Amino acid sequence: DAKTTQPNSMESNEEEPVHLPCNHSTISGTDYIHWYRQLPSQGPEYVIHGLTSNVNNRMASLAIAEDRKSSTLILHRATLRDAAVYYCILDRDDKIIFGKGTRLHILP
Amino acid sequence: DAGITQSPRHKVTETGTPVTLRCHQTENHRYMYWYRQDPGHGLRLIHYSYGVKDTDKGEVSDGYSVSRSKTEDFLLTLESATSSQTSVYFCAISQGGLSGANVLTFGAGSRLTVL
Repeated sequence: DAKTTQPNSMESNEEEPVHLPCNHSTISGTDYIHWYRQLPSQGPEYVIHGLTSNVNNRMASLAIAEDRKSSTLILHRATLRDAAVYYCILDRDDKIIFGKGTRLHILP
Repeated sequence: DAGITQSPRHKVTETGTPVTLRCHQTENHRYMYWYRQDPGHGLRLIHYSYGVKDTDKGEVSDGYSVSRSKTEDFLLTLESATSSQTSVYFCAISQGGLSGANVLTFGAGSRLTVL
């Protein structure tokens, strides 16, 4: 199974950028990196994904290390609504495994 | 929830009784997944399906069975529920690895309590 490592929790101030790290040292060449987040009392929702190049969308940016063994999800300007658990996963095959994710706390 | 519905949303049952949770999709997606979520454990994959009648085990499949007789429905059955199966169950769907990216869409969850 494709494994990722994330910090258990992080804190950030409102209206500041947030960088959420993820290590995936066993990544294979065709593995996509995905990020999901789960707001309180809701199901997880897709945030962003990438393979090699950095990616941007309306929710966030994904920065992928050159060796692809780590990545960083960037929330450019955190709001209180961004408080959630963020999951980094590797899309290796059909069997999609989640870890425990990072619980992000936003301080007003 | 983008064409994915879970039922029931809440259920309380007794130990030893059978329970079936249903996941229904209107997206015609090939892949369907069942996860459970417990405090301190994140999301854990129970079973998944990659087509009608095609299923496979996940990380925590013991005590669970699944069936997929048509594209739109994926059933999760607890043959004899135990208190350790008290959890929130999430279904997810995906088109599959088109363009190499398997993006999941999740349902709202089904909260099961086994007394």
